[in-house]
Amino acid sequence: AQSVTQLDSQVPVFEEAPVELRCNYSSSVSVYLFWYVQYPNQGLQLLLKYLSGSTLVESINGFEAEFNKSQTSFHLRKPSVHISDTAEYFCAVSEGPNTNTGNQFYFGTGTSLTVIP
Amino acid sequence: GAVVSQHPSRVICKSGTSVKIECRSLDFQATTMFWYRQFPKQSLMLMATSNEGSKATYEQGVEKDKFLINHASLTLSTLTVTSAHPEDSSFYICSARDRAPTAPTNEKLFFGSGTQLSVL
Repeated sequence: AQSVTQLDSQVPVFEEAPVELRCNYSSSVSVYLFWYVQYPNQGLQLLLKYLSGSTLVESINGFEAEFNKSQTSFHLRKPSVHISDTAEYFCAVSEGPNTNTGNQFYFGTGTSLTVIP
Repeated sequence: GAVVSQHPSRVICKSGTSVKIECRSLDFQATTMFWYRQFPKQSLMLMATSNEGSKATYEQGVEKDKFLINHASLTLSTLTVTSAHPEDSSFYICSARDRAPTAPTNEKLFFGSGTQLSVL
């Protein structure tokens, strides 16, 4: 089974500062990588995903993540955070893409990002 | 995007009672729903996979007689924690797989907002 490690449980950062949320996974076989975000009182939403191709993937709200196979990492970054980015962020690994038949997702423990005005 | 409604968001119950959690797909049909739980400071872990009209498939270590799952329609799955005990206190979250995803994302999996269960 896969394991996903999010080293930082809580990350406070000032508004407009950069942020990196770390994610490492265990498996060396082909995997698909995801970042989900959960805003207060809402469900988990897909933020971005790596399935294949370019190792750098971006979301519509300025986040990006880079798949690093040698380091088995998929860290999430944003150069300048906003108050509205305050949320819980979950890294997940799957043995199949979300667009395919359902596969088991393995989640990290989550990182709570708090943006300070 | 598609919406999955999960109720209740928070429940406190006495030890020995049963608690039912509902997971509904509001604007799509879900042939499959997944139930996860997260203990404090641990990862979200898959408990079971629920297919409409058939028995759920439970992950190793999850008691099927304790965590009853019913998926009677394409839009509703329920998880009932029977005879709950304090060790069942956890965050439970469901996800639903859209049987007809739409372009351009073709995203299939959508999550509920979760239920925080506290058993006294």
